[in-house]
Formats: sequence, structure tokens, C-alpha cells
Amino acid sequence: AQTVTQSQPEMSVQEAETVTLSCTYDTSESDYYLFWYKQPPSRQMILVIRQEAYKQQNATENRFSVNFQKAAKSFSLKISDSQLGDAAMYFCAYRSASGAGSYQLTFGKGTKLSVIP
Amino acid sequence: ETGVTQTPRHLVMGMTNKKSLKCEQHLGHNAMYWYKQSAKKPLELMFVYSLEERVENNSVPSRFSPECPNSSHLFLHLHTLQPEDSALYLCASSQYLFGEQYFGPGTRLTVT
Repeated sequence: AQTVTQSQPEMSVQEAETVTLSCTYDTSESDYYLFWYKQPPSRQMILVIRQEAYKQQNATENRFSVNFQKAAKSFSLKISDSQLGDAAMYFCAYRSASGAGSYQLTFGKGTKLSVIP
Repeated sequence: ETGVTQTPRHLVMGMTNKKSLKCEQHLGHNAMYWYKQSAKKPLELMFVYSLEERVENNSVPSRFSPECPNSSHLFLHLHTLQPEDSALYLCASSQYLFGEQYFGPGTRLTVT
């Protein structure tokens, strides 16, 4: 079974600075998807960014980018020019790309990010 | 309404009550999901429906009973819950079973 580990329960960043959230995962599969979700105090889980394992290029979405290291099974999220609205819980998630259960997302426990004005 | 909506947003119920959580998606999706989010634990997938057919039941106690009358609506019927069932219950939908999941804002359930 796949597992996702987020080793930083809480982090903080100064507004306008850059912060990196860590995520590692364990899998024996070669093809899969990785995601970062944001859950603000409103509780709605919002997809921030996704990465397909077969793509070597790191995904980017505006101020959000990932560092995907497939051999190391590492998938970190970098937030540049942090804004107050980035304060939230961030969850790393894994999904298989094939197989009967590939609709299932496996989540980490989350990292609470605080943004200091 | 847009996206995925859930009602109620907050629910307090006694252990002998019967209540239902409602989820509605306005995205034209064909798959819907129930997740449980407890403090300090990863999200747990409870139920999955595709085209109104249940495809997953992750060993969830029978005091939780899902219902999917059509592809836009999903219910979670609750009865004789335990205090440890207190959690945030999230609904999600995807265009098809293996597609990107879009989440609702959740129902915060407290069992007293």
C-alpha cells in the first residue's frame, strides 16, 4: 500500500518570502499522480498543483511550483512571494495511474502554514 | 450555486439521533465520494459512487449509510453514532471515476 508522509506539522513564512513544504511517499508503482491540496479555514479542499510521474518536468502554477524527485520519492511544494491568503493546511496526496483502485487518493497528515505579515 | 456544496455546514447530534448529510455537485460529474477528516489523521475515503453505483466501501461501520439517487446528489445517513465519529465529513466529485476530484466545504459533525 502507498503511504504519504509530511514531516512538518507546522511551518511559518514571512509575507513575500519563499517557503518549501516537504512530502515523501512510498510506492512500488512506476506510474502515478501526485497532488498538493490547500485547505483554508473555510475548509474547502482546493487543488493547488498536480504532477504526473512520467513527466520529468516539474509542474508550476503561478507562484506554486514543485520539486519532484522520483528516485528519492520526494515531492516538495515551493510557494514564492507568499501572501496572507496562502495561510492554510496543505496536504500532499498520491493516486495510482492504473488499476482498479486508482480513483483513490492517499493523503498525508498535512502541514499547517502560517503567513506572518 | 457552483462547484460542490454540502449541507449542513455544522451538525451536533446525540448518539441516538438519526440525521443525514447532503452533498450536491453542479459540475456535471459522474463520480462522487465521501471522506472523513479527523484531527491529526489523514483523510479517509469512506464511499465512492460512479454513475450512481457504489464502487467502494472501505470497511465503514454500518451506522454510516450512503445514498446516491442521481449523479448530482450524494447523501450520508447517520444513526446511533459514537463520539469518535465526530469529524469533518468532506464530499468530492470527479468528471469520471479516475478524474480530478473537486471537494465541497465539508460538514463539521459533533456527536455528543
